Amino acid sequence: TQLLEQSPQFLSIQEGENLTVYCNSSSVFSSLQWYRQEPGEGPVLLVTVVTGGEVKKLKRLTFQFGDARKDSSLHITAAQPGDTGLYLCGGNTPLVFGKGTRLSVIA
Amino acid sequence: GAVVSQHPSWVICKSGTSVKIECRSLDFQATTMFWYRQFPKQSLMLMATSNEGSKATYEQGVEKDKFLINHASLTLSTLTVTSAHPEDSSFYICSARAPYSNQPQHFGDGTRLSIL
Repeated sequence: TQLLEQSPQFLSIQEGENLTVYCNSSSVFSSLQWYRQEPGEGPVLLVTVVTGGEVKKLKRLTFQFGDARKDSSLHITAAQPGDTGLYLCGGNTPLVFGKGTRLSVIA
Repeated sequence: GAVVSQHPSWVICKSGTSVKIECRSLDFQATTMFWYRQFPKQSLMLMATSNEGSKATYEQGVEKDKFLINHASLTLSTLTVTSAHPEDSSFYICSARAPYSNQPQHFGDGTRLSIL
């Protein structure tokens, strides 16, 4: 099993601040997915990164895949309370996840 | 886009009861579906891979006689928690992906199981 490590595990910030979440592994992934999960619901796909060095933007969210395809990051600009949730990175089929980053954005 | 439907969303039952959870792919055929378990404040843990027309593949430490999986059609997989006990209480989530290359997994909304 390829282990994915996410950091930080918990993050509480004020509205308007920027943040970065990291997803690291010692193994190479053909692709990584980022999901966001709200309480009582299933994870919702945010993005899939496939190419080493790839950068994808989704409004205020910027996703990057490392050149070696072993790590990825999620950067949120000007966080809003609606960004609150559990952010999960996952790779492989079937998907295996890191421990997730629980983000709380305070108004 | 692809949609995965899970039913029921919430179950409360007595200890010793068996509970069946359904997972359906609504607009694509899924030869493979996946079952995850999530405890409070934790991430998703893969339990098993459900294969249409054949036996499920269970992850290490998951009791196959406890968690029965049936994938009888290309759009339906079921997970039955047999003789459930309070320690089986958890959030169970299914997932499926369209059988095309590079398609991501999509998740159902989960089933919260509470065993009294």
